[in-house]
Amino acid sequence: EAGVTQFPSHSVIEKGQTVTLRCDPISGHDNLYWYRRVMGKEIKFLLHFVKESKQDESGMPNNRFLAERTGGTYSTLKVQPAELEDSGVYFCASSHKASPTGELFFGEGSRLTVL
Amino acid sequence: QKEVEQNSGPLSVPEGAIASLNCTYSDRGSQSFFWYRQYSGKSPELIMFIYSNGDKEDGRFTAQLNKASQYVSLLIRDSQPSDSATYLCAVMAGGGNKLTFGTGTQLKVEL
Repeated sequence: EAGVTQFPSHSVIEKGQTVTLRCDPISGHDNLYWYRRVMGKEIKFLLHFVKESKQDESGMPNNRFLAERTGGTYSTLKVQPAELEDSGVYFCASSHKASPTGELFFGEGSRLTVL
Repeated sequence: QKEVEQNSGPLSVPEGAIASLNCTYSDRGSQSFFWYRQYSGKSPELIMFIYSNGDKEDGRFTAQLNKASQYVSLLIRDSQPSDSATYLCAVMAGGGNKLTFGTGTQLKVEL
């Protein structure tokens, strides 16, 4: 079974540009999450989808970030325009609706570098 | 005060020894506690979860939870070089699957 896949693995852009990160969750997982780790800090929650609906977006830093999950399958996270402080590793995770442990399966992350 | 605190390490232990990793949390409403292992450049991988006070054992791993002291730990017995990684403590409040992570402890198991 394929795990959570993220693309690109690494993106280098200049301040003011736009970047779109993509996440393909494990097939059949209704829950999809975005997390972010900036240098030297802890992994922090950004938002949570249940199927195509945003369940919790309390961690989104500002309106330069837009997450979508059309059709309840893959998700995209767009940063527009990117700022220096947006640099970090963006993790996607998914879980099954009925997961009793709340176990999240993480992807390997998309490293974003904003110059 | 950070919500979830861990010593960043590195924690160095010799092969075959017991590695003890500690974590404290600030939210008394936290109900679920997780230990993730992350190798450099790889995805965090769940290795243990615990909900109730006391110990929970799984192979070489034991998670310990003390809600009164807001403390959770992970013991790794018979440490192996392959255990060298960053260990992330994460907690979840009641409802939803939103995890709050610590910064992680780097463990080095030396030959």
